Amino acid sequence: DVVLTQSPLSLPVTLGQPASISCRSGQSLLHGDGNTYLSWFHQRPGQSPRRLFYEVSKRDSGVPLRFSGSGSGTDFTLRISGVEAEDVGLYYCMQGAYWPQTFGQGTKLEIK
Amino acid sequence: EVQLVESGGGLVQPGGSLRLSCAASGFIFSDHFMDWVRQAPGKGLEWLGRSRNNRDGYIIEYAASVRGRFTISRDNSKNSLYLQMNSLKTEDTAMYYCARDGDLAYWGQGTLVTVSS
Repeated sequence: DVVLTQSPLSLPVTLGQPASISCRSGQSLLHGDGNTYLSWFHQRPGQSPRRLFYEVSKRDSGVPLRFSGSGSGTDFTLRISGVEAEDVGLYYCMQGAYWPQTFGQGTKLEIK
Repeated sequence: EVQLVESGGGLVQPGGSLRLSCAASGFIFSDHFMDWVRQAPGKGLEWLGRSRNNRDGYIIEYAASVRGRFTISRDNSKNSLYLQMNSLKTEDTAMYYCARDGDLAYWGQGTLVTVSS
């Protein structure tokens, strides 16, 4: 199975400051069809996960513009330009280029 | 509006069985892949399996960790997805989510399964 390694695993951030989460894959996530199947999810405490981005940087409806997804091949990044209180929780990356799809370990974002 | 509502969770003894349901609405159910994902308490997300869509003949796929014990099915007339879980182990204790599409665009609220004596 493809291993996704997220860092950091814990991310304390001051309100209004930027934040960045890395997701590194053991193999390139560039599929033979030309797409790169890397998604990002956010899970607030006590809630189900919500997808933020698919195919690296395609934003889901309603995702604030302060969030951005980038990367290629094996290295991917989720950025928040200025953290707000509602951004706390767990962030997961997921790859869908290889079967079975796999998730990163999760990164816990908290407010300092 | 896409809605996914899981049900059927509860407390079950090791070795027991449980059937989870996922009721879908707001979209053409048969056109979409439907997946099951679980999350053990305090742990990360684990993909369990999926039912492909009508174009792919509703092929079922399983993660190695549950193949042979869990069975996924769907009833397109009822817009419902199911997860039959047999020979349950304490390590199957988790919140179980259904999600739409291979890239998990939409998720239900989850149903909690506790396997304990």
